[in-house]
Amino acid sequence: DTGVSQDPRHKITKRGQNVTFRCDPISEHNRLYWYRQTLGQGPEFLTYFQNEAQLEKSRLLSDRFSAERPKGSFSTLEIQRTEQGDSAMYLCASSLAQTGETQYFGPGTRLLVL
Amino acid sequence: QKEVEQDPGPLSVPEGAIVSLNCTYSNSAFQYFMWYRQYSRKGPELLMYTYSSGNKEDGRFTAQVDKSSKYISLFIRDSQPSDSATYLCAMRETNAGKSTFGDGTTLTVKP
Repeated sequence: DTGVSQDPRHKITKRGQNVTFRCDPISEHNRLYWYRQTLGQGPEFLTYFQNEAQLEKSRLLSDRFSAERPKGSFSTLEIQRTEQGDSAMYLCASSLAQTGETQYFGPGTRLLVL
Repeated sequence: QKEVEQDPGPLSVPEGAIVSLNCTYSNSAFQYFMWYRQYSRKGPELLMYTYSSGNKEDGRFTAQVDKSSKYISLFIRDSQPSDSATYLCAMRETNAGKSTFGDGTTLTVKP
């Protein structure tokens, strides 16, 4: 296993469409995180899972965003009724669920909403 | 005001220079401190990871944490053109899931 993978790497969509992104974590990692990054800003936390359980969601995560990790392995992030303000890089990270374990990031999915 | 502040730069140095990158923070509960390097259009890559106060060295990189001042630094010795990237500091509370990031400092090392 070479690291966290994300698919697709790039997505262009029209405003109002739904999009779904996939993240495959490092195989032995049981925590999975989603972040969003806009140009000139650092990554901003969206949500994270430990195994199948979604343990925390940012207040910034609107109702149009939903994330799942049904079998405790890969995760999907869906954005419904996309808006131009959703254009960003969506980053996935994973870690072990031990105190102090750090997060390793994937390459990101770059979303452009027209 | 953001929890983590980082000078955005840009910072331009000649090859071989010592680079100093810094972040300040306001949340005294932060216990874990990370530095990530991010190349254009790529995901962040972990460089250094420190728990609580103190120094940590790894090759040309040294991370320092001063919790009393709520100030962390990353030093890069003998900087190389390949070090040109955006450097992000990140912090986390004990038992917390999320990391809080600075907005990054863009570094260019000129040959």
